[in-house]
Amino acid sequence: DAKTTQPTSMDCAEGRAANLPCNHSTISGNEYVYWYRQIHSQGPQYIIHGLKNNETNEMASLIITEDRKSSTLILPHATLRDTAVYYCIVRVGVYNQGGKLIFGQGTELSVKP
Amino acid sequence: DTAVSQTPKYLVTQMGNDKSIKCEQNLGHDTMYWYKQDSKKFLKIMFSYNNKELIINETVPNRFSPKSPDKAHLNLHINSLELGDSAVYFCASSQRSRISGANVLTFGAGSRLTVL
Repeated sequence: DAKTTQPTSMDCAEGRAANLPCNHSTISGNEYVYWYRQIHSQGPQYIIHGLKNNETNEMASLIITEDRKSSTLILPHATLRDTAVYYCIVRVGVYNQGGKLIFGQGTELSVKP
Repeated sequence: DTAVSQTPKYLVTQMGNDKSIKCEQNLGHDTMYWYKQDSKKFLKIMFSYNNKELIINETVPNRFSPKSPDKAHLNLHINSLELGDSAVYFCASSQRSRISGANVLTFGAGSRLTVL
């Protein structure tokens, strides 16, 4: 079972910031939060990950709350090409000992003109 | 250069046939995965291999047999195909960062299997 919960869908106006929330209240102290997205008919694409500190890269920013129980992915200037399903993921189990990234339902983001 | 490549991209076959999907990664990663995405769009992990050793097997019917001849390849063979096997199958690879411990997956473009 996925360890994260996300809204099913969100809309965003083109050019505006898209803020996608995620709850991961059972995350353990050393687990990263990963964000991926899947544009229709393509393979999932890595966006960003974080542990405790906020992170930024060329695609997005990740804001993690101090208690690490939730995070927000920010696309600063959404474009129509950002329309996709966004997945917030936390590892279940130990890497190389059966640990795995389980994808939940994700948030379907629609960027509108 | 495609990092994770899958072949074929599309596969249409009859029930009862046996088919294979091949996956290759040129990223030097030590772990490879197969995920299945059904018509409801849920991505479910099926198998994972680390250094050619099977480490994840998610209650997948034994008609599905993964094979990893080396770290760069993970193939999926499916026997006696059923209608319910129709889905998009994604291969992925990863390497845990020795510095941060993070594990980022790189996915292939997917192989759409249609069983008639």
